[in-house]
Amino acid sequence: DAGVIQSPRHEVTEMGQEVTLRCKPISGHDYLFWYRQTMMRGLELLIYFNNNVPIDDSGMPEDRFSAKMPNASFSTLKIQPSEPRDSAVYFCASSFSRAGRPGQPQHFGDGTRLSIL
Amino acid sequence: QKEVEQNSGPLSVPEGAIASLNCTYSDRGSQSFFWYRQYSGKSPELIMSIYSNGDKEDGRFTAQLNKASQYVSLLIRDSQPSDSATYLCAVRVYGGSQGNLIFGKGTKLSVKP
Repeated sequence: DAGVIQSPRHEVTEMGQEVTLRCKPISGHDYLFWYRQTMMRGLELLIYFNNNVPIDDSGMPEDRFSAKMPNASFSTLKIQPSEPRDSAVYFCASSFSRAGRPGQPQHFGDGTRLSIL
Repeated sequence: QKEVEQNSGPLSVPEGAIASLNCTYSDRGSQSFFWYRQYSGKSPELIMSIYSNGDKEDGRFTAQLNKASQYVSLLIRDSQPSDSATYLCAVRVYGGSQGNLIFGKGTKLSVKP
């Protein structure tokens, strides 16, 4: 089975440019999560969706960050304008809900390594 | 602020030894607990989940949960150099949505041949 697919794997761009990260969750999963990972702060949840609806975006650092999920098989995380401090690895993860079983695990994509110069 | 704490390490053990990784969490009502392994430059990979007090074994891995002490651990028996990675503890907080996990910052494990 295909796992969570992210693109691009690497992105290097200059400060001020718009950056768009893409994610395709595992088919049948109804939760999608965007994380950012840095050495200093570890793995931070930015936003997550349930059935394509944003549930909690309290982790989104600033208005420069936005995320959408137009359908069950696609999500984007956009940074506009980008800044050097946005440099990190961005992971997308998905999971599914199961009645009677709390907290199903999340499955991660390979991540996008973002460098803002 | 709900937190998950791990010793950052590095934890160094000789090949064949038992590696013990520990995690504490602040939310007493937490219900679901996970251990992820992350190799350098790779994504987190789920290796164990545990939902009730006690031990859960899967091959060389044993997860232990003590909700009264708010403590979850991972034991790796017969450690191999290929086990060298960062291990992330993740907790679903009480009242949180179905999939909302809080991650610790991870413990780096090094298994020496």
